[in-house]
Amino acid sequence: QKEVEQDPGPLSVPEGAIVSLNCTYSNSAFQYFMWYRQYSRKGPELLMYTYSSGNKEDGRFTAQVDKSSKYISLFIRDSQPSDSATYLCAMTRRGRDDKIIFGKGTRLHILP
Amino acid sequence: DAGVIQSPRHEVTEMGQEVTLRCKPISGHDYLFWYRQTMMRGLELLIYFNNNVPIDDSGMPEDRFSAKMPNASFSTLKIQPSEPRDSAVYFCASSFWGRGTGNYGYTFGSGTRLTVV
Repeated sequence: QKEVEQDPGPLSVPEGAIVSLNCTYSNSAFQYFMWYRQYSRKGPELLMYTYSSGNKEDGRFTAQVDKSSKYISLFIRDSQPSDSATYLCAMTRRGRDDKIIFGKGTRLHILP
Repeated sequence: DAGVIQSPRHEVTEMGQEVTLRCKPISGHDYLFWYRQTMMRGLELLIYFNNNVPIDDSGMPEDRFSAKMPNASFSTLKIQPSEPRDSAVYFCASSFWGRGTGNYGYTFGSGTRLTVV
């Protein structure tokens, strides 16, 4: 079983829709959870991070962590064509002095 | 801030040749990471440094790969000899794990797209 599983997509949704992106993981020691966004031919950029379980909201983006189910989600409200990108979940155990493990990413297309 | 700077952006080389990828991290960042990205395997961590010292190189695929960080502002990833299966996008990332800053993420460069023919 891979440490982090993520559906590669592609996921196509109409503009304005709510998008749900998800990852599952197997290592219960993970405590810090992140979402990165990667545009074509660019490096990933940090979008959101959360510590342990719970929700975190930033504008149109909401990150959700359920440690009991080993499941994390990213919700995008009022999706825009500019949100079209690959979204990678990522996680680490301790934060400092610990490497981040990435999912393979989900390709998202927002249709105008 | 210019961000993490990688060079070259694209590299096409013949099998058997030596390839050197370069990275300039963000000033003040104390961690530097080298990743490789392919469609099949996603982002794979190759090696990372803390204060210029290699901490974990368990992701380096084989002895053909080597990485150095001679100072805080420069790192190289070398492949010698290169093989077609090394074709991928190679990313450098840097980070500063400042206590209390809530910074748990990396800043990535734009990557080097390597093609070995």
